[in-house]
Amino acid sequence: DSGVTQTPKHLITATGQRVTLRCSPRSGDLSVYWYQQSLDQGLQFLIQYYNGEERAKGNILERFSAQQFPDLHSELNLSSLELGDSALYFCASSVAPTGWSYGYTFGSGTRLTVV
Amino acid sequence: TQLLEQSPQFLSIQEGENLTVYCNSSSVFSSLQWYRQEPGEGPVLLVTVVTGGEVKKLKRLTFQFGDARKDSSLHITAAQPGDTGLYLCAGRGGNMLTFGGGTRLMVKP
Repeated sequence: DSGVTQTPKHLITATGQRVTLRCSPRSGDLSVYWYQQSLDQGLQFLIQYYNGEERAKGNILERFSAQQFPDLHSELNLSSLELGDSALYFCASSVAPTGWSYGYTFGSGTRLTVV
Repeated sequence: TQLLEQSPQFLSIQEGENLTVYCNSSSVFSSLQWYRQEPGEGPVLLVTVVTGGEVKKLKRLTFQFGDARKDSSLHITAAQPGDTGLYLCAGRGGNMLTFGGGTRLMVKP
């Protein structure tokens, strides 16, 4: 157990629908990062939050949004889902804004299948 | 955008063999990290290399950071089935980690 909790583990939904993925960071970590992993794209950075505020943005689609709550858990909202959104979505956390020295701690991921 | 290319993409070997996987970029990185990801799990940090030419050992795994800090390699001695997984290198790009595409290693008993 890495200490980063992601729910649900699996999600199957239809095109056009909206889903919410949830992440609870490791105790004491203030930064949360979201990554998308697909077979042909590898791990793609989506967005980072630090202590409730957006800190960095990657290749995140406009149909996707995220937020970090006062208790530091984070949610990634995916709307108007398309078949191509099927992927593994990982949340990672770190203690510092950049997390560089200590690396990231990843959760086990949410496997999203859009049918 | 700083890109990291890993090679080979896939590697299937017998238990006891040695192997090396590579991580290359046209950009200079201040440091690089290596992660291993097993099926159904998230990546787990193995090592951080910071100084050009640095070599770090983790049991049977040897990590090297290139002198110019544009490349890195991971060498595994006497591979075991437990080494099976996806090996990812990651470089610092701004405030986030940029990951390479990974090397998928399978070690057959």
